[in-house]
Amino acid sequence: EPEVTQTPSHQVTQMGQEVILRCVPISNHLYFYWYRQILGQKVEFLVSFYNNEISEKSEIFDDQFSVERPDGSNFTLKIRSTKLEDSAMYFCASDRPPPEAFFGQGTRLTVV
Amino acid sequence: AQSVAQPEDQVNVAEGNPLTVKCTYSVSGNPYLFWYVQYPNRGLQFLLKYITGDNLVKGSYGFEAEFNKSQTSFHLKKPSALVSDSALYFCAVRYMNRDDKIIFGKGTRLHILP
Repeated sequence: EPEVTQTPSHQVTQMGQEVILRCVPISNHLYFYWYRQILGQKVEFLVSFYNNEISEKSEIFDDQFSVERPDGSNFTLKIRSTKLEDSAMYFCASDRPPPEAFFGQGTRLTVV
Repeated sequence: AQSVAQPEDQVNVAEGNPLTVKCTYSVSGNPYLFWYVQYPNRGLQFLLKYITGDNLVKGSYGFEAEFNKSQTSFHLKKPSALVSDSALYFCAVRYMNRDDKIIFGKGTRLHILP
């Protein structure tokens, strides 16, 4: 069964460093999303992406964040200069379009 | 604005007993409704959805959910709980538009007691 895959599963980075979280959405899906979950808490929407551009972003998704679909298969989230409060589980999701979105296993980002 | 409320932070149920995890939503129009489950240190796993039609929808692992439009609720249920059902459960909603985001509730931690 096709699935969304995310790499790495766990990333540790120093405060102020840039990180890139990678996702491979399901191949025939058209809409892509990033969500984050601070440990054990609510799952929060960050950004949605369609037709090679951002379609919606939340207040969390400030200038430190960017997304890219560089090669037609990968979908990346870049955090330019990480802060301690960026520590969270980051989930990538995709859909064909709706109704349900399919989520990856997540990347746990730890900023130290 | 869209929102989803899960009024219980935690629900404890004895194994073999029926379980209910509550969810209410506040969305104008006709929403899509979902339940996702998160096992410890794992991702979000889709359980079931309501789009239209029968108010009782069945999903994975014996779970079902009842859509009640008048009460704007979408409670998750299972007739007989298993210890392995212990996890974090998220109710979620989105509009029936092409690219609207999914909005999640804060989650309810379900503990099934042996």
